[in-house]
Amino acid sequence: RKEVEQDPGPFNVPEGATVAFNCTYSNSASQSFFWYRQDCRKEPKLLMSVYSSGNEDGRFTAQLNRASQYISLLIRDSKLSDSATYLCVCWFSSNTGKLIFGQGTTLQVKP
Amino acid sequence: GAGVSQSPRYKVAKRGQDVALRCDPISGHVSLFWYQQALGQGPEFLTYFQNEAQLDKSGLPSDRFFAERPEGSVSTLKIQRTQQEDSAVYLCASSSGQSNQPQHFGDGTRLSIL
Repeated sequence: RKEVEQDPGPFNVPEGATVAFNCTYSNSASQSFFWYRQDCRKEPKLLMSVYSSGNEDGRFTAQLNRASQYISLLIRDSKLSDSATYLCVCWFSSNTGKLIFGQGTTLQVKP
Repeated sequence: GAGVSQSPRYKVAKRGQDVALRCDPISGHVSLFWYQQALGQGPEFLTYFQNEAQLDKSGLPSDRFFAERPEGSVSTLKIQRTQQEDSAVYLCASSSGQSNQPQHFGDGTRLSIL
């Protein structure tokens, strides 16, 4: 079983739709969580950190449930430019700082 | 620019050849990571340096893989006697080394083994 699991999709949604991605992690020692965005043939870029209290950045909302070891990302009012792969990522300090990535969820926003 | 720079951008090699991939981290970044990303998968950790010290090489898939960072700046990932399963994108990331600081990724080297 992978340490971080995501539904690979693809998720095909129309412009303006709300879409949610979920992710589960197996290592309860994980301390920090992130969503990265990766465009085709490009490097991963940090989208946002994820906190237990939930955090919002514009149209993006991230949520962490430590008890269920579950992370989510909600995108409201989808834009064509949101089309990308979204990577769920865990980090814990005892692990020399390496990032543990999920497989990624592909989003296609269509006009 | 001031980002992480990797070269070459693309590399094609015949099976059995040795290859060397270069990473130039952000100036002053103490931590340097190498990841391997296969098609349709997320990046997977290979190895980690703090300055010139290789503190974690648990992700290197075989003894054909070797990484170094002799002066604590530029790093080289070397793959000897390449195999077709080595075909992947190799990503380098650096960070300041302080707790929980974000890792900044380079564009990667796309390696194809024929």
